[in-house]
Amino acid sequence: DIQMTQSPSTLSASVGDRVTITCRASQSIRSWLAWYQQKPGKAPKLLIYKASSLETGVPSRFSGSGSGTEFTLTISSLQPDDFATYYCQQYNSYSSTFGQGTKVEIK
Amino acid sequence: QVQLVESGGGVVQPGGSLRLSCAASGFAFSSYPMNWVRQAPGKGLEWVALLSYDGTNKFYADSVKGRFTISRDSSKSTLYLQMDNLRPEDTALYYCARGRWQQLVLTPFDPWGQGSLVTVSS
Repeated sequence: DIQMTQSPSTLSASVGDRVTITCRASQSIRSWLAWYQQKPGKAPKLLIYKASSLETGVPSRFSGSGSGTEFTLTISSLQPDDFATYYCQQYNSYSSTFGQGTKVEIK
Repeated sequence: QVQLVESGGGVVQPGGSLRLSCAASGFAFSSYPMNWVRQAPGKGLEWVALLSYDGTNKFYADSVKGRFTISRDSSKSTLYLQMDNLRPEDTALYYCARGRWQQLVLTPFDPWGQGSLVTVSS
């Protein structure tokens, strides 16, 4: 199975900060990577697919980049609604796998 | 609107069985691949099983292979997860999630249901 490793596990930031989360795959997944946001007690929400395509309705402050094994999710100016846990997911194989998550906390 | 509603969770003893259901509405259920994803309390997301739009291809995580069975009834727009020989480590909130695009098996998941809690304990 393809392993997905996110860093950092926790991130403390302030409103207005630029935030970057990294996701590494154990082998090439081309661009078949998605990012999700999950708030406490809620289901995950798709933010980005195919590494850099923004899902409809997602604010443009979110962006994704990368290909192969290295990917990043960037929030250009952190807003109060963005404090949540973020997961990457590879869907290059039938056995999809998620990263362990990055919790974005208020500094 | 597109909606997924899970049911069937509960408390079961180790070695027991449970069947989860996911009722879909607001979209052409028979055209989309469907997944089960679980989340143990306080932990991350773990993909469990995938079923192709036409029900012909099934894929499972190694952790549940041989114990869980995914199926669908398109006449009822419902996805199922039959869970047998349950273990304490299967305790989790189980989400059903639709493939983002029709027919494609390799696709991100959107939307997700709100989950059904399964607790395996004696």
